[in-house]
Amino acid sequence: GAVVSQHPSRVICKSGTSVKIECRSLDFQATTMFWYRQFPKQSLMLMATSNEGSKATYEQGVEKDKFLINHASLTLSTLTVTSAHPEDSSFYICSASYQREGETQYFGPGTRLLVL
Amino acid sequence: GEDVEQSLFLSVREGDSSVINCTYTDSSSTYLYWYKQEPGAGLQLLTYIFSNMDMKQDQRLTVLLNKKDKHLSLRIADTQTGDSAIYFCAEKVTGANNLFFGTGTRLTVIP
Repeated sequence: GAVVSQHPSRVICKSGTSVKIECRSLDFQATTMFWYRQFPKQSLMLMATSNEGSKATYEQGVEKDKFLINHASLTLSTLTVTSAHPEDSSFYICSASYQREGETQYFGPGTRLLVL
Repeated sequence: GEDVEQSLFLSVREGDSSVINCTYTDSSSTYLYWYKQEPGAGLQLLTYIFSNMDMKQDQRLTVLLNKKDKHLSLRIADTQTGDSAIYFCAEKVTGANNLFFGTGTRLTVIP
């Protein structure tokens, strides 16, 4: 149980285009979903926290107009990188949690974005 | 903010035990986690421990928590080549929904 999927797993796009990444909790309802970014050989950096039906809470330094988050249902959150540039190239990982022992976060497999 | 630190690298021989260490600064932690990340993949939850526990064992994994010293460790018994990966410790603190991650320890298992 507690499986989280992400789609796509890998995307290459041209500079200036927008890219949407989906995060789904497959067998549970996620009260909260998180979006992280990971640079090569570095740890995860939290970008934003989203609760179903409400606006996402962005971490300091993360541009909310650049990284649009929509949490439309208890099983789906989307991250849209708008007008992507090469510096947005990174590994984006989502996680989902629900209220139970540990309030554990279950992570998706990640999406590797390469902006040319 | 919260500071979670790990040593960057660890090499062990196959069959030996591995011990990965983690220190944190926030004393209001509620849960502490160990995640495993293989190349190009997301994070796999290995185990977690509640902050009022000292030890948790799950098959080959043993987690030790010294709350006084704010020190967490993960011991992997009989380490196998398939255990080669990056291991992240993470802390959840009171009042925050998100996790604070350590820098990750790259474990290399030598056949």
